[in-house]
Amino acid sequence: GENVEQHPSTLSVQEGDSAVIKCTYSDSASNYFPWYKQELGKGPQLIIDIRSNVGEKKDQRIAVTLNKTAKHFSLHITETQPEDSAVYFCAASYEGSGTYKYIFGTGTRLKVLA
Amino acid sequence: DVKVTQSSRYLVKRTGEKVFLECVQDMDHENMFWYRQDPGLGLRLIYFSYDVKMKEKGDIPEGYSVSREKKERFSLILESASTNQTSMYLCASTFGYGYTFGSGTRLTVV
Repeated sequence: GENVEQHPSTLSVQEGDSAVIKCTYSDSASNYFPWYKQELGKGPQLIIDIRSNVGEKKDQRIAVTLNKTAKHFSLHITETQPEDSAVYFCAASYEGSGTYKYIFGTGTRLKVLA
Repeated sequence: DVKVTQSSRYLVKRTGEKVFLECVQDMDHENMFWYRQDPGLGLRLIYFSYDVKMKEKGDIPEGYSVSREKKERFSLILESASTNQTSMYLCASTFGYGYTFGSGTRLTVV
């Protein structure tokens, strides 16, 4: 079936360093790739997304890249801060199906060490 | 801001009980979802609904049912709770661009 693999499952970085989380999807029809951040005790929150017609998108310290050929997409966080510590989920979906179902990755726990 | 409200933050129920988890959204979204979140397994889709009284099974519907009598409310029902349904349950809604999640209900079945 369709699935999304996410790596690594845990990631520790020093404050100020960069963090990269990678996902691979199986359904070649997928064309929408959101990233969610889940802080302790809260529901996941959308932080950035990308559609298959672009290769990269940036929002301040966060960027997402997409390689459609390899079916890979990645989240890049630069100049990490303690408040970036959270669990991050990637997801893939096919816009156009009408159902807006997402397939989520298994999550990455990011720890930013002060 | 869109708000998705889950009625209970923590819930403890006994094995065999019928359990209702309630979710309400305030932005007239047509699409609503129930996921369960378990360590190492990510978010797995239980059921979703794209309109009032319409529902579809997700990837792990066994042991669950849902009800959507009004557009703003989507209920998850555990017909006979079992210990393997101990989990974090997340409700989400969307109009088609990104999900808005509730804060989750942590259910423990003893």
